[in-house]
Amino acid sequence: KNEVEQSPQNLTAQEEEFITINCSYSVGISALHWLQQHPGGGIVSLFMLSSGKKKHGRLIATINIQEKHSSLHITASHPRDSAVYICAVRLGGTSYGKLTFGQGTILTVHP
Amino acid sequence: GAVVSQHPSRVICKSGTSVKIECRSLDFQATTMFWYRQFPKQSLMLMATSNEGSKATYEQGVEKDKFLINHASLTLSTLTVTSAHPEDSSFYICSAPDGTSVREDTQYFGPGTRLTVL
Repeated sequence: KNEVEQSPQNLTAQEEEFITINCSYSVGISALHWLQQHPGGGIVSLFMLSSGKKKHGRLIATINIQEKHSSLHITASHPRDSAVYICAVRLGGTSYGKLTFGQGTILTVHP
Repeated sequence: GAVVSQHPSRVICKSGTSVKIECRSLDFQATTMFWYRQFPKQSLMLMATSNEGSKATYEQGVEKDKFLINHASLTLSTLTVTSAHPEDSSFYICSAPDGTSVREDTQYFGPGTRLTVL
């Protein structure tokens, strides 16, 4: 079993739909990242969380440390949101910056 | 925001040749950089941690003599794939945490290098 599990693996939505991507991890962590990877391959860091909730534009990320679970929400989704979304954690006790990645969620938003 | 660049973005080489990939932090100093590889439809896998002024730390199963890492300055790390073979074809990505930031976990990723070995 992977230390970081994402669901769903694939997600198709219609424009304007509310989207949720989930991430569960099995060990103690220091921080959790949500990353976005576009078809060209480049990766953008969306959020870094260690507790609570963060919001940036139409994106919201939450984390529940006790339940070892995080969610990424996209409100009013748009075709340009189509990408792979990756959850990554910094495991407790590891050197700073060293991340363990989930397998990614492929999001496709249709107009 | 901080930027990490990689060069080249794409490279095609013949089997048996060596390929060097550069990772640069453009507006911050990075004492540590990370190298990942990503196979099609798979997530990133950490290969090694590049440390400025000292030897790189390799993950289990990664051949250090095959993937040479040099972190010669606070803004540059290089990954050299030696005697490349078709199975080395992959997408290689580097990242650098901004150690000068209060938020040490701020990570900046390079755009990646797609290596194809014929």
